[in-house]
Amino acid sequence: GAVVSQHPSWVICKSGTSVKIECRSLDFQATTMFWYRQFPKQSLMLMATSNEGSKATYEQGVEKDKFLINHASLTLSTLTVTSAHPEDSSFYICSAPGTGKSAVNQPQHFGDGTRLSIL
Amino acid sequence: GEDVEQSLFLSVREGDSSVINCTYTDSSSTYLYWYKQEPGAGLQLLTYIFSNMDMKQDQRLTVLLNKKDKHLSLRIADTQTGDSAIYFCAEILGSQGNLIFGKGTKLSVKP
Repeated sequence: GAVVSQHPSWVICKSGTSVKIECRSLDFQATTMFWYRQFPKQSLMLMATSNEGSKATYEQGVEKDKFLINHASLTLSTLTVTSAHPEDSSFYICSAPGTGKSAVNQPQHFGDGTRLSIL
Repeated sequence: GEDVEQSLFLSVREGDSSVINCTYTDSSSTYLYWYKQEPGAGLQLLTYIFSNMDMKQDQRLTVLLNKKDKHLSLRIADTQTGDSAIYFCAEILGSQGNLIFGKGTKLSVKP
């Protein structure tokens, strides 16, 4: 079945470092990918919608300059947390809709997540 | 508002049935989902149900949908210790299909 690969799975770095997280759809094309953030014991919160070939759509309250999203190809979206600080420590998960031209009503396929720890 | 609600904890004994309930918000949601999250892992899609169905069964899993009450439930028959996880229900909203999740129900299975 369709698989979404997310890398890295765990990052520990110093405050002020920029961290890039990759999300790849392995056997299907994804014109749209979603980036979620999950705080401990809380549900996933959508951060932004990544659109291939165009600008990402950010949810209210999410800083565009802080969380840079690049969806340069049909199989790869990246999330860069710029100048990360301890409050950015969280679990970041990407997802992509299943195969088909329309993202609507397709089961979502999730990456395994990236645990980001900023010291 | 856009709150999907579910109880936070459920504890059952191995071999019993587990029922996890969820109330969603948008009566026009066409698909409703159940995801499983094991510690430190991403979400795994367990099952989903289309809104014109009221029941879907897949091996040990049974999903019941009550559209009138906007109530969704997941029943796990013969619950095993490996079923211990957090279970999220979600509804799909918007033209691009982003998901709105509940806060998750932590299922603990005791031997």
